[in-house]
Amino acid sequence: GAGVSQTPSNKVTEKGKYVELRCDPISGHTALYWYRQSLGQGPEFLIYFQGTGAADDSGLPNDRFFAVRPEGSVSTLKIQRTERGDSAVYLCASSLNSGLPINEQFFGPGTRLTVL
Amino acid sequence: AQSVTQLDSQVPVFEEAPVELRCNYSSSVSVYLFWYVQYPNQGLQLLLKYLSGSTLVESINGFEAEFNKSQTSFHLRKPSVHISDTAEYFCAVRSGAGGTSYGKLTFGQGTILTVHP
Repeated sequence: GAGVSQTPSNKVTEKGKYVELRCDPISGHTALYWYRQSLGQGPEFLIYFQGTGAADDSGLPNDRFFAVRPEGSVSTLKIQRTERGDSAVYLCASSLNSGLPINEQFFGPGTRLTVL
Repeated sequence: AQSVTQLDSQVPVFEEAPVELRCNYSSSVSVYLFWYVQYPNQGLQLLLKYLSGSTLVESINGFEAEFNKSQTSFHLRKPSVHISDTAEYFCAVRSGAGGTSYGKLTFGQGTILTVHP
């Protein structure tokens, strides 16, 4: 079946602009995660959803970042007033649910965001 | 809170040589441990995981890792590497305690394994 998909694959924007990054999880997966990977670093947790609600948003760096998952499937990560330091690959992952560690997190290919 | 340290950013080896990629973690609670692999131009894939039981876990392509609680380590090993093992490898931990932080993974910085012919 289809894996986790993310759109766009690449996004170039100017400093100060607003961007939206989309994640389509694997069908039936109730848990959805966002991570950010800067150059030369490992993925860094941002937020995860169990169903429609954000179960943990402790990784969001500031209030310019916001994510939604209104119907418990597709999620959108929104970044306001982008800064050059926001440039990174944004990864999305999904799993059957977050409660059991045996449920593997499957990662999407990522969206590469470049802020000029 | 947890943290993960991968002690080597790059590991070059020759084909058929053994390799060890080191991973140490820090946590005040019990953890689950994972190794992910990212092949060139591909997404992250789970390689192997330790949840409970035997401290030695294996992958389908010959890698193994041993959970050492006293040394807080989860090193990845392979006795004989192939060119196709060239990739970036990430060690990750997940809290074994309950609460809202239960689901997230904390990753190390990654180790680039390059296998030369």
